[in-house]
Amino acid sequence: DAKTTQPTSMDCAEGRAANLPCNHSTISGNEYVYWYRQIHSQGPQYIIHGLKNNETNEMASLIITEDRKSSTLILPHATLRDTAVYYCIVCGGNNNDMRFGAGTRLTVKP
Amino acid sequence: DSGVTQTPKHLITATGQRVTLRCSPRSGDLSVYWYQQSLDQGLQFLIQYYNGEERAKGNILERFSAQQFPDLHSELNLSSLELGDSALYFCASSVEGGGISGANVLTFGAGSRLTVL
Repeated sequence: DAKTTQPTSMDCAEGRAANLPCNHSTISGNEYVYWYRQIHSQGPQYIIHGLKNNETNEMASLIITEDRKSSTLILPHATLRDTAVYYCIVCGGNNNDMRFGAGTRLTVKP
Repeated sequence: DSGVTQTPKHLITATGQRVTLRCSPRSGDLSVYWYQQSLDQGLQFLIQYYNGEERAKGNILERFSAQQFPDLHSELNLSSLELGDSALYFCASSVEGGGISGANVLTFGAGSRLTVL
């Protein structure tokens, strides 16, 4: 029972912005949107999270629509090292078991 | 180094055997999560513990069990192993409710790779 929908794969040119979409139309009011990534069999790495407002940190920006039914992770200047599977997860409130879907496989090309 | 320590890194065993995977959470984190990732598959949530108590259960087989000890380290026990149990097993930890924001950020270990022959 996936709570999020993401494209299976995306490509991005090195140095360009990578915009990864995520649909979470059934999100409830107290659930956060989290983004993690996994670089080839390494442990997943936390990127960013948000509730209602857009967020930015040293790794990425998170844009959440006003109705909170979708979000976009933005990697402003993608590098080859950003090639990974990116997971969008909705979790919070009474639900704290963080379940990963299939994610989006981002390939950054030279 | 994420601060979450998993041992062993690699383990090769035979079908029918039993193994124990160990996880030491990041200092200050009270919650431990276990995930299984088979070859080219997504992360399957197995189980979560918070301060010694089971908090949530996912797709964990009856042959698998876990516990969290008073020092907060956790062990995942896999018994009657089958070929299909070959996978990466990840542990993650979080503060779980200790943050002001109410968010729950997980920090993952490097994983234990189990091969069942």
